[in-house]
Amino acid sequence: DAKTTQPNSMESNEEEPVHLPCNHSTISGTDYIHWYRQLPSQGPEYVIHGLTSNVNNRMASLAIAEDRKSSTLILHRATLRDAAVYYCILRDGSSGSARQLTFGSGTQLTVLP
Amino acid sequence: DSGVTQTPKHLITATGQRVTLRCSPRSGDLSVYWYQQSLDQGLQFLIQYYNGEERAKGNILERFSAQQFPDLHSELNLSSLELGDSALYFCASSEALGQTYEQYFGPGTRLTVT
Repeated sequence: DAKTTQPNSMESNEEEPVHLPCNHSTISGTDYIHWYRQLPSQGPEYVIHGLTSNVNNRMASLAIAEDRKSSTLILHRATLRDAAVYYCILRDGSSGSARQLTFGSGTQLTVLP
Repeated sequence: DSGVTQTPKHLITATGQRVTLRCSPRSGDLSVYWYQQSLDQGLQFLIQYYNGEERAKGNILERFSAQQFPDLHSELNLSSLELGDSALYFCASSEALGQTYEQYFGPGTRLTVT
């Protein structure tokens, strides 16, 4: 899977929006963009994924650049519970490709009260 | 609660010993993945099973093995344990094989080798 680059850490104030960036300049046409997060002392948790169009779900929004070389995970109102490590992961959607998740180092999000 | 259960939660054992970690996937999920998370290596994929068959292997040591049983639960066996095997071991499950299917992770088993 292609590589992603994320900032090591970010801070946000509670109840404010958070924009978590991810660069993936070598993304291929069949790569899906997935986001997972890992809260302290827990297993990773699926957040959202997309291919080309922006996506929204109950947890977050995913904004994908037109050239797909970057994306942004948007938490609309950060809560203390959103403090976690956020992982941006590319997964090749073509048949026969690897199915496991390849985790990088992610972004440690700190939410300040 | 992801619906994936792992036992035990904690395991402390000595070098050279053998342990078995157990995972029950979400109801209806056919695919099970094992991951290892250590401080120096981060989260790394070990092995995947789908409906009882091994489907993918990552950086799994030869001392480690896994299987998935007919009832779809999976076990990860770690033998000849070394201090460096101390880590969190996560199991994840997904509905099917497709790359767009999200994986649901269990709470993990923390293994400490002394």
